[in-house]
Amino acid sequence: AQSVAQPEDQVNVAEGNPLTVKCTYSVSGNPYLFWYVQYPNRGLQFLLKYITGDNLVKGSYGFEAEFNKSQTSFHLKKPSALVSDSALYFCAVRDITTSGTYKYIFGTGTRLKVLA
Amino acid sequence: DVKVTQSSRYLVKRTGEKVFLECVQDMDHENMFWYRQDPGLGLRLIYFSYDVKMKEKGDIPEGYSVSREKKERFSLILESASTNQTSMYLCASSLKGTRGSQPQHFGDGTRLSIL
Repeated sequence: AQSVAQPEDQVNVAEGNPLTVKCTYSVSGNPYLFWYVQYPNRGLQFLLKYITGDNLVKGSYGFEAEFNKSQTSFHLKKPSALVSDSALYFCAVRDITTSGTYKYIFGTGTRLKVLA
Repeated sequence: DVKVTQSSRYLVKRTGEKVFLECVQDMDHENMFWYRQDPGLGLRLIYFSYDVKMKEKGDIPEGYSVSREKKERFSLILESASTNQTSMYLCASSLKGTRGSQPQHFGDGTRLSIL
């Protein structure tokens, strides 16, 4: 079965510094990977995805993610963190069910705190 | 912009009640999903649907059922609510797309408390 792991429950970073939120995956076949962000009392918002192509994927709000097949990782990055980036971040991977439909497996989430 | 609307932000029910959570999307998406979100556990899929009147069990379907009579509406039903179903419930929708490549659009969630 497919799975994703977010090894850090929380990441603290100073405003203006680069940030990284880690995600590793375990899949059979080619992975379809997604990052979402959740602000307080809101649903998840899509940030970016990797399906195929360039290993560096650019997304919303200045975020990007690097797909690394040999390390089975898909880390989320931003060159310069903002206090407003403080939120809960989820990595997700597509899974194929026994009936041939598609569902998604989410990680446990990483809380990012950007300190002023 | 896609809008996924969940009928209630907060809901308090009693043990044993039958509870209905409603979700409506306005972008003609084929796929709809129900998740529950619990601290430290992330999002777990309860049920999903790829077409009207079609449903498929997710990873934690026990104690729940769903209904999709119209394309835009996907209802989650707690047949007999129990305290361990106290949680945040999130509805999502997505286009059919290519082999599951389309991102999901989420509602703002229903925080359900079972007393």
